[in-house]
Amino acid sequence: AQSVTQLDSQVPVFEEAPVELRCNYSSSVSVYLFWYVQYPNQGLQLLLKYLSGSTLVKGINGFEAEFNKSQTSFHLRKPSVHISDTAEYFCAVITGNQFYFGTGTSLTVIP
Amino acid sequence: DAMVIQNPRYQVTQFGKPVTLSCSQTLNHNVMYWYQQKSSQAPKLLFHYYDKDFNNEADTPDNFQSRRPNTSFCFLDIRSPGLGDAAMYLCATSRAVGEQYFGPGTRLTVT
Repeated sequence: AQSVTQLDSQVPVFEEAPVELRCNYSSSVSVYLFWYVQYPNQGLQLLLKYLSGSTLVKGINGFEAEFNKSQTSFHLRKPSVHISDTAEYFCAVITGNQFYFGTGTSLTVIP
Repeated sequence: DAMVIQNPRYQVTQFGKPVTLSCSQTLNHNVMYWYQQKSSQAPKLLFHYYDKDFNNEADTPDNFQSRRPNTSFCFLDIRSPGLGDAAMYLCATSRAVGEQYFGPGTRLTVT
């Protein structure tokens, strides 16, 4: 069963424009949610996480995400992107004591 | 700084020649993971150690083995690398089942 779905495999966006990367999960039990970023030839770096509490989570590099339980979503947003945000972004979920990655979204920022 | 270290960053091996990749951590986390990541794909879990307990994913080929001699170190052994094993190999750690911290990865080339 697909636990994490990233609907967009590639997202091109112009520099200084806003961006939203979508992530949906499937679980009937409580979840922990994460967004990771991967730059070329590097490991994954944690952008932000939702464990509990406020549904709006702020992370590094100006990114934020909102946990929406009714829509089972955890979309990642940034109001104004930079060239340096060009990277692969992975949504991940822990549910039922298992860790699942989404398939990733390649964000390309166009000058 | 506490971190996850992988050596080497780039490894070239010949077809069929055994190769070992190493990972060390200063986070004192009890869980260590090995992932294989091919181009434009999400990381694929090969196996993980929960303390000394080894957990193999069902579809991990027998060609891949792992050792964890102590809390800090974990090794990935590829007994007879094939061309299809060329990939980025990522090591990660976590405290129990939780947020994972990744190393920078080892890029394996098979000639």
